[in-house]
Amino acid sequence: DTEVTQTPKHLVMGMTNKKSLKCEQHMGHRAMYWYKQKAKKPPELMFVYSYEKLSINESVPSRFSPECPNSSLLNLHLHALQPEDSALYLCASSDGLRTSTDTQYFGPGTRLTVL
Amino acid sequence: DAKTTQPPSMDCAEGRAANLPCNHSTISGNEYVYWYRQIHSQGPQYIIHGLKNNETNEMASLIITEDRKSSTLILPHATLRDTAVYYCIVHITDSWGKLQFGAGTQVVVTP
Repeated sequence: DTEVTQTPKHLVMGMTNKKSLKCEQHMGHRAMYWYKQKAKKPPELMFVYSYEKLSINESVPSRFSPECPNSSLLNLHLHALQPEDSALYLCASSDGLRTSTDTQYFGPGTRLTVL
Repeated sequence: DAKTTQPPSMDCAEGRAANLPCNHSTISGNEYVYWYRQIHSQGPQYIIHGLKNNETNEMASLIITEDRKSSTLILPHATLRDTAVYYCIVHITDSWGKLQFGAGTQVVVTP
């Protein structure tokens, strides 16, 4: 099973709201990722967690706050977003062993609209 | 910037083989060639990857040239469900997972 689940599928929020995106995998993977994808553009990496610790932050604004409560879960907390933050937010996971089999598996994404 | 160059779009007839080219002339010795696809509004789906040998799995075949400067993804019998954006990515697997997506190729399979 190579399934990564994400909730919610769609989210509409105002600029003053606080919301969270959730991602879950049960493949025993130890690396998890957040990507952002604007319309008609390729995905762009935001954060990487390895063994529940933040390994990479691609200079993402602080209004995006990632959290990895355990090895199966990854959250992205959202606060004071701007309309330009509207995008598809993708979660991915990989075994984290940094070998040739370290393939990333993606979830279906959360479509976020900021009003 | 992405390290790969792909044609922006391709059409393919249903049931025929689809050959998707990718140039990666600056690839280094420890970088793998990965292929993902993304069906409209879904998450990217892993297809196949390789280092220098040709690879085949249940979805596709990957042909890498001897100098490793280019590769071709082959979908042997395209179906309508193969309509998607296909991304060719060069990736060092001992780095922390930064898949650098380029613009990809929009493949449209027609009946």
